[in-house]
Amino acid sequence: GAVVSQHPSRVICKSGTSVKIECRSLDFQATTMFWYRQFPKQSLMLMATSNEGSKATYEQGVEKDKFLINHASLTLSTLTVTSAHPEDSSFYICSVREGTTNYGYTFGSGTRLTVV
Amino acid sequence: RKEVEQDPGPFNVPEGATVAFNCTYSNSASQSFFWYRQDCRKEPKLLMSVYSSGNEDGRFTAQLNRASQYISLLIRDSKLSDSATYLCVVNIIPGAGSYQLTFGKGTKLSVIP
Repeated sequence: GAVVSQHPSRVICKSGTSVKIECRSLDFQATTMFWYRQFPKQSLMLMATSNEGSKATYEQGVEKDKFLINHASLTLSTLTVTSAHPEDSSFYICSVREGTTNYGYTFGSGTRLTVV
Repeated sequence: RKEVEQDPGPFNVPEGATVAFNCTYSNSASQSFFWYRQDCRKEPKLLMSVYSSGNEDGRFTAQLNRASQYISLLIRDSKLSDSATYLCVVNIIPGAGSYQLTFGKGTKLSVIP
């Protein structure tokens, strides 16, 4: 299956600063990547679908100006949390889907963001 | 109603026990079904896909009942290493042929020596 690398694994930042999270598909050209967020003891919630070469599709309730997604190449998608606040503290995970079938979703190792 | 609902857990079972997890989903148009395993502070990893005919992978058996919109996972002969949170995941098609995974909150399993 695909190998997905996510960086950084953990970050602590001050309120008001921005944080960039990278998701790389190491052995697979991913036209689509998915960004999820998971709060403690909650399910993974899809934030947005990142599309290579075009704008991301955001889920309802997710501010596109706050969570900037860039998918400039087939192997890299980035999520930037702008003007972070403590309530943005969460576990952010990216995912790629191999091919066009329903199967073969691979997740990055996740980024634990703490905003202080 | 939540799209994917699971037993809240936690399940604390002794080694060697058999444990069953249940899951229901609300969207009858759901296409694909999975069980994922998530260890503490880690990413989810696919445990197994779930087919209408039922499928087995070693000690793990998954069942799907489309009419009842119900999915189950049975773990036999539990091992300490089975301790994790088990996520019921459903793949729906929100539109234009795209696919979207919807996750349950997960059921935490602790296997006790």
